[in-house]
Amino acid sequence: DTGVSQDPRHKITKRGQNVTFRCDPISEHNRLYWYRQTLGQGPEFLTYFQNEAQLEKSRLLSDRFSAERPKGSFSTLEIQRTEQGDSAMYLCASSSTPRGTGELFFGEGSRLTVL
Amino acid sequence: AQTVTQSQPEMSVQEAETVTLSCTYDTSESDYYLFWYKQPPSRQMILVIRQEAYKQQNATENRFSVNFQKAAKSFSLKISDSQLGDAAMYFCAYRNGYNTDKLIFGTGTRLQVFP
Repeated sequence: DTGVSQDPRHKITKRGQNVTFRCDPISEHNRLYWYRQTLGQGPEFLTYFQNEAQLEKSRLLSDRFSAERPKGSFSTLEIQRTEQGDSAMYLCASSSTPRGTGELFFGEGSRLTVL
Repeated sequence: AQTVTQSQPEMSVQEAETVTLSCTYDTSESDYYLFWYKQPPSRQMILVIRQEAYKQQNATENRFSVNFQKAAKSFSLKISDSQLGDAAMYFCAYRNGYNTDKLIFGTGTRLQVFP
């Protein structure tokens, strides 16, 4: 297994368009996380899944954002009607339970630019 | 709410020297974990070191060690014998000890290493 992979790595879109990001976690990991990172800031938690269940969502996740993890494998993060403020790096991470080291394994991120 | 503060936006060190990155946090919980993550340019974030709050002994991983001061809510990272490959953004992160792996990150410290 090569780690957490994210696709696409870069996305440029016009304001008002919809975008979708995909994350493939490490295969034996049942927890999957989405974070958002803007320039000069640390990652901010968006949501996480245990298997296919979405257990927690941040207030940052407005109604335009939706995340899914069908069958508890890969996950998608969709942003509808994008706004310039959505421009950021979207990071996916995975971990295993029961919690051992508590370490999250991150992907390289999907960078979104909204024009 | 828990918060993590990194007051040094940038630090620099000469190769082979030692540098210390600062982190403070605020929490009312007694059971929690603290982490330092490294984010090299255009690469994924990786775990450097972790500390359980219930352990008095400071964690050490090769050239990396922490100074955990629970009463002062301080968690600094010391990098000894700095190498060019240590150049990166370093993020301090907090997780409470209950049923979540959600990490709360600081704003990061950019470390430059000069030959």
